[in-house]
Amino acid sequence: DADVTQTPRNRITKTGKRIMLECSQTKGHDRMYWYRQDPGLGLRLIYYSFDVKDINKGEISDGYSVSRQAQAKFSLSLESAIPNQTALYFCATSDRPGQGSDTQYFGPGTRLTVL
Amino acid sequence: GENVEQHPSTLSVQEGDSAVIKCTYSDSASNYFPWYKQELGKRPQLIIDIRSNVGEKKDQRIAVTLNKTAKHFSLHITETQPEDSAVYFCAASTGLLRAATYKYIFGTGTRLKVLA
Repeated sequence: DADVTQTPRNRITKTGKRIMLECSQTKGHDRMYWYRQDPGLGLRLIYYSFDVKDINKGEISDGYSVSRQAQAKFSLSLESAIPNQTALYFCATSDRPGQGSDTQYFGPGTRLTVL
Repeated sequence: GENVEQHPSTLSVQEGDSAVIKCTYSDSASNYFPWYKQELGKRPQLIIDIRSNVGEKKDQRIAVTLNKTAKHFSLHITETQPEDSAVYFCAASTGLLRAATYKYIFGTGTRLKVLA
């Protein structure tokens, strides 16, 4: 879905480095999310934001921080990257669930490798 | 903590046969149950969903059933085709109501292979 974009698409970094993953959306959705995907573990929620002033921790927030710069932009930072943060990271958006749906629309993913 | 169990982890079927994937959730506040399909190297995309006040939903060859009492829901794919080969994820969400804590928990995925 071209409406949710992530940069970079691939990143290799070293232990201890600070890195930022960026997400932008043109869907006009209020809600944005960051997930990580690991083989055999599915997708796990890192942080979510229901609007610019509302940011919440997900199930695995330790070692990560986020910034919601605008309705359309949501960034994920790794303050000091470690090898077990090597994973595929997805940004997602969703609309307010007024129609009985909480569908997540995913970006293309960022493959992060921490050496 | 709350979780969603998904079985089987891999499933191989002959083209034209049916496939069934099952999920069990633990959070009784869950009220929305989507299924996502992720093709190799692609992003997950919604294929069907069901709300907690509905027992079954069908869309062409795919259907989802929900048993709230037992806290499990299932994906059924009939007349499988090679293009159905992918990883399928179930999820359980508390998102339809103003829950004290928002949860969107995915199962660990099922790799479906449809053999031609």
